Amino acid sequence: GQSLEQPSEVTAVEGAIVQINCTYQTSGFYGLSWYQQHDGGAPTFLSYNALDGLEETGRFSSFLSRSDSYGYLLLQELQMKDSASYFCAVAGAGSYQLTFGKGTKLSVIP
Amino acid sequence: GAVVSQHPSRVICKSGTSVKIECRSLDFQATTMFWYRQFPKQSLMLMATSNEGSKATYEQGVEKDKFLINHASLTLSTLTVTSAHPEDSSFYICSARVQNTNYGYTFGSGTRLTVV
Repeated sequence: GQSLEQPSEVTAVEGAIVQINCTYQTSGFYGLSWYQQHDGGAPTFLSYNALDGLEETGRFSSFLSRSDSYGYLLLQELQMKDSASYFCAVAGAGSYQLTFGKGTKLSVIP
Repeated sequence: GAVVSQHPSRVICKSGTSVKIECRSLDFQATTMFWYRQFPKQSLMLMATSNEGSKATYEQGVEKDKFLINHASLTLSTLTVTSAHPEDSSFYICSARVQNTNYGYTFGSGTRLTVV
């Protein structure tokens, strides 16, 4: 089976940096993905790590350590519109099914 | 590119009726579609995996006779909630993997089902 752990809520100030951690247990591993979901909307893809290290995409970066079964999403220069839920997800060996973490609700305050 | 169109976005139905939700891949062929259900403030839970031209694979605890999935073409998958009850009220989302990418899962916009 597969399970992912991430904090349920995070609050940060506009303009600041926030890190959302994710630890996972999987029977196989094909990379760690991050998705953003605004209330009432569908998830949108943010980032993906198949190998160890940091991937940067604009204000968003994602990090993976396969030996630690750990990754994080880093959001810089926070904006109010970044208030949303963020999910980490993994796809297991032999399957393209994504398993999602429970999500982290990010609240950006002025 | 890689857009999945999902309809309807919202539906309200009476208890006991059936509701069909459609997901179409607009600019690519989706051999596999995933159907998720999301209750308020919870994560996305995989219900089933549908493969074009074959029977869907349901996750444990999901009633296949209640949630009928049809994937008759490479661009269309449908989920029919049969004999809907209030406890079926949820947000249903489809997703497709985009070929030749490791991470390319694209999601439909979701369907908010309310059973009254």
